[in-house]
Amino acid sequence: AQRVTQPEKLLSVFKGAPVELKCNYSYSGSPELFWYVQYSRQRLQLLLRHISRESIKGFTADLNKGETSFHLKKPFAQEEDSAMYYCALRGTGANNLFFGTGTRLTVIP
Amino acid sequence: GAVVSQHPSRVICKSGTSVKIECRSLDFQATTMFWYRQFPKQSLMLMATSNEGSKATYEQGVEKDKFLINHASLTLSTLTVTSAHPEDSSFYICSAGDRSNTGELFFGEGSRLTVL
Repeated sequence: AQRVTQPEKLLSVFKGAPVELKCNYSYSGSPELFWYVQYSRQRLQLLLRHISRESIKGFTADLNKGETSFHLKKPFAQEEDSAMYYCALRGTGANNLFFGTGTRLTVIP
Repeated sequence: GAVVSQHPSRVICKSGTSVKIECRSLDFQATTMFWYRQFPKQSLMLMATSNEGSKATYEQGVEKDKFLINHASLTLSTLTVTSAHPEDSSFYICSAGDRSNTGELFFGEGSRLTVL
């Protein structure tokens, strides 16, 4: 069975400080991992996906198959980064996404 | 990016009535749409996969007779909560992926259902 774990429900950091949102997964095959973000009063939207190996809004995430992790990182947090972040997994051959419980990030001015 | 629209965004109904929520892909065709349910401070839980022109696929524990899904066209899927009860009160979110199969899902703004 697949599982996505985000151990922190709430995370607060000061502006300019590094931030790391943790995500661990459990899946027997080769999953695709995503980070989705939901800003206040907005819909859920894709932030980044592991296959793209891109940096979006200063965020990066590396898939570590050995540790089965896909942590989201940003070296210098900004106030506009405050949002709800969801780690999601797509199984092999599947179309739907399986979500973690989410982490609410608050960046303190 | 692609846009998915849900309607209504908020609905209040009495117990025992039925409520229909629409999900539309505005600028792309979606053969598959997904219906999620989100309880307060919890994650999105997949309820069912809506397939255009065929029956929906329901996740374990989701009553198909309770949550009727119809995907009559490539741009519209509907979720009908039948004989609603207060415990059906929740935030319902639909999503769809375009045919590029990049894995990205585009989400609607969600529909908050309150059953009195």
